[in-house]
Amino acid sequence: AQSVTQLDSQVPVFEEAPVELRCNYSSSVSVYLFWYVQYPNQGLQLLLKYLSGSTLVKGINGFEAEFNKSQTSFHLRKPSVHISDTAEYFCAVSSGTYKYIFGTGTRLKVLA
Amino acid sequence: EAGVAQSPRYKIIEKRQSVAFWCNPISGHATLYWYQQILGQGPKLLIQFQNNGVVDDSQLPKDRFSAERLKGVDSTLKIQPAKLEDSAVYLCASSLGGGVRTDTQYFGPGTRLTVL
Repeated sequence: AQSVTQLDSQVPVFEEAPVELRCNYSSSVSVYLFWYVQYPNQGLQLLLKYLSGSTLVKGINGFEAEFNKSQTSFHLRKPSVHISDTAEYFCAVSSGTYKYIFGTGTRLKVLA
Repeated sequence: EAGVAQSPRYKIIEKRQSVAFWCNPISGHATLYWYQQILGQGPKLLIQFQNNGVVDDSQLPKDRFSAERLKGVDSTLKIQPAKLEDSAVYLCASSLGGGVRTDTQYFGPGTRLTVL
C-alpha cells in the first residue's frame, strides 16, 4: 500500500524568508510525486511533479522540490516567500494502482 | 481555455435529504475524478472515470453515493440519503487521460456541502 505523510500541519514564516514543506511517502513500487497548492475558496493547482530523470524539480511561482529515494521524501522549498504564497499545500503520490493519494496538507502562513 | 466547472458552489441540507453535484470537465479531457475533502484532511478519491467508464470506485460508499458520466463529458455525483459525516467539499478534477498515473489533474472550485 502507498501512503503520504506531511509532517507539519501549519508552517508560519516571515516574508522573504526561506521555507521547506516536508513530504514523505511509502510505496512498494515506483511512484510519481506531485505538489499542489490550494488558495482559499479555490480548487487545487499543480505546482510541480516528479515523473523521472533529474531529482530536482522546478515548478511555478519559484518553488522547487527534491526527490530523495533513499529517504522516501519529496520536500518542497522556496528560497524567499511572499505574502501571496499563503495557502495550503498538498503532496500527492500515484503509482501502478492509478490512484492519487493526497497528504493531509500543510498550511503555509506568510507573515509581514 | 475554460477550467473545470462545478455547481452549486455551496449547499446546505438536512440529514436524510438527497443532494446532487454537477461537474463539467475541461474540453477533451478523458479522465474525470470526484474527490471528497473533509475539513483538515487531504482530498480522498471517490470515483474515477475514463471517458464514460468507471476505472476506480473502491472508496465510494455505494449504499448512499452514486455517480455517472453520460456521454463521457459532464458528470453528476449524488448522495441519498445524506449523513452528518458527509459534510465536506466535493472536488471535481479532470485530466487528459493519456497517462493516468502521470497526468496533471485540473481541479474545479469545489462544492461545499453542509449537512445539518
